[in-house]
Amino acid sequence: QVQLVESGGGVVQPGGSLRLSCAASGFIFSSRGMHWLRQAPGKGPEWVAYVRYDGSSKYYADSVKGRFTMSRDNSKSTTSLQMNSLKSEDTSIYYCAVLEGATTAWGRGTLVTVSS
Amino acid sequence: ETVLTQSPAILSLSPGERATLSCRASQSVGAYLAWYQQKPGQAPRLLIYDASNRATGIPVRFSGSGSGTDFALTISTLEPEDSAVYYCHQRINWPLTFGGGTKVEIK
Repeated sequence: QVQLVESGGGVVQPGGSLRLSCAASGFIFSSRGMHWLRQAPGKGPEWVAYVRYDGSSKYYADSVKGRFTMSRDNSKSTTSLQMNSLKSEDTSIYYCAVLEGATTAWGRGTLVTVSS
Repeated sequence: ETVLTQSPAILSLSPGERATLSCRASQSVGAYLAWYQQKPGQAPRLLIYDASNRATGIPVRFSGSGSGTDFALTISTLEPEDSAVYYCHQRINWPLTFGGGTKVEIK
């Protein structure tokens, strides 16, 4: 059974940084691309970032490009999202996910609040 | 960017009725469209993947159809627990996108 567990959320001031982590289990992590998504209060989900199964390609939403960096460690079955220059509009629940048809799963999410 | 337009925004129906939710894409997404159900305080739950395949454990009253740019999610016989927001999502064109959601209210 696919399991994804996010950690690292919290309260941070505008302009600050935060690093989110996601621990994966229940599937062959090194063969799946991984995503980060987010959902602001009262809004729909928004895709944030993707890393290919081998880490060779990464894609980012325009809203986070240049500020967020996604990485993965296949030896530990983990993926991370380094978030810099945070803005109030980055306040959201952040989810890591596998989005591959029948192999689709989301974690429970971790809350990031950007506020002074 | 592939814009997904969902309609209606709100659907208010009685238990036992049939619900049809629409999702229209601004460009073809082939069959790479999924439907999610979200209840307050919970993560989105996958209902349908690749346009018409029910995810594991999803009741048979949920069905998906369509391809290219026009898709539908049908709930054949509404149950009280189907009250939720439903989102469509495409995973073939970058950036990945979601529709704005349809809120299903049970009278």
